Amino acid sequence: AQRVTQPEKLLSVFKGAPVELKCNYSYSGSPELFWYVQYSRQRLQLLLRHISRESIKGFTADLNKGETSFHLKKPFAQEEDSAMYYCALSPWGFQKLVFGTGTRLLVSP
Amino acid sequence: GAVVSQHPSRVICKSGTSVKIECRSLDFQATTMFWYRQFPKQSLMLMATSNEGSKATYEQGVEKDKFLINHASLTLSTLTVTSAHPEDSSFYICSARDRRRRGDLYNEQFFGPGTRLTVL
Repeated sequence: AQRVTQPEKLLSVFKGAPVELKCNYSYSGSPELFWYVQYSRQRLQLLLRHISRESIKGFTADLNKGETSFHLKKPFAQEEDSAMYYCALSPWGFQKLVFGTGTRLLVSP
Repeated sequence: GAVVSQHPSRVICKSGTSVKIECRSLDFQATTMFWYRQFPKQSLMLMATSNEGSKATYEQGVEKDKFLINHASLTLSTLTVTSAHPEDSSFYICSARDRRRRGDLYNEQFFGPGTRLTVL
């Protein structure tokens, strides 16, 4: 079975501080991993995916297969980054997404 | 582009009645749509995968007779909660995959704004 774990329910940092949102997964095959973000009163939207190896809004995430992790990082947090962040896994060959429980990021001025 | 709408955004119904929720892809065709359920302060749980023109695939533990899914066209999927009870009260979210996307973009899902169902 597939499982995504986000150990922190809430992460509170000050503006300009580095941010790391943790995500660990459990899956025997080769998954596709995503980070989705939900800003206040908005719908869920894709932030980034491990396949693309891109940086979006200053965020990056590297898939570490040895540690089965896909942590989301940003060197300098901004107030507008405050949102709910969900890590999600798509099992190879399937279209569905398995979501973690989410981490609320709160960036204070 | 890639906008998904849901209707209604909020519905309150009496116990025992049935409620239909619509999910539409507004500017793209979706061969596959997904229905999720989200309890307060909890994650999204996939209920079922809806494929156009065929029966939906339900996740383990989801009652298919309780949650009827119809995907009659490439832009519309409906979820009907039959004989609703207070424990069915939840936030229901749909997502859709753009049939044109290939390669790295193949698996991206576009989410609707959600429908809050309250059963009295």
